[in-house]
Amino acid sequence: IAGITQAPTSQILAAGRRMTLRCTQDMRHNAMYWYRQDLGLGLRLIHYSNTAGTTGKGEVPDGYSVSRANTDDFPLTLASAVPSQTSVYFCASSEAAANSPLHFGNGTRLTVT
Amino acid sequence: KQEVTQIPAALSVPEGENLVLNCSFTDSAIYNLQWFRQDPGKGLTSLLLIQSSQREQTSGRLNASLDKSSGRSTLYIAASQPGDSATYLCAVRRTSWGKLQFGAGTQVVVTP
Repeated sequence: IAGITQAPTSQILAAGRRMTLRCTQDMRHNAMYWYRQDLGLGLRLIHYSNTAGTTGKGEVPDGYSVSRANTDDFPLTLASAVPSQTSVYFCASSEAAANSPLHFGNGTRLTVT
Repeated sequence: KQEVTQIPAALSVPEGENLVLNCSFTDSAIYNLQWFRQDPGKGLTSLLLIQSSQREQTSGRLNASLDKSSGRSTLYIAASQPGDSATYLCAVRRTSWGKLQFGAGTQVVVTP
């Protein structure tokens, strides 16, 4: 089934550790996004990529980095995790056009202790 | 900055009743608006996308209207079913190159 695969599904991480959240899509979408969802704050954009080889900062990029080496993969890295990064992380993709809907993965629930 | 608000935060309706979900935004100069559904522990599923030039968009039992001048969109779900229970979110894109601004969502429970 075509879609977005995120891994891991959940993770408990000690503060200060490095962590990479994986995201792969098989729809050949040009644009990909990382969001975090927190109770009371809704969905907030962390980083995005309009096409392979390019990335941009979203609303809350501090403490996170991304890369887009190819069309399918868009990993999100926490270089040194902090408790405030405890959240549910969603990867999404869309065709290049702004009028195309977003497709979401099922999320990664991350707890930083 | 665009603010997107969804009120109420939660509602419960009996099966068969029509659902009316509201989304308001502060800046009427939008490019498009999307409605999503989120089931517990899952990602978002796109339901409808309305262009700024459109007044409404329909898909099956779902109908979304857009009134830019008043900064409002409404999602109607006809003849609700227990399977419609989920959180519904709206998101606004201000420009063709801009990113989506999400509302906090309305949690819906349809009781049998």
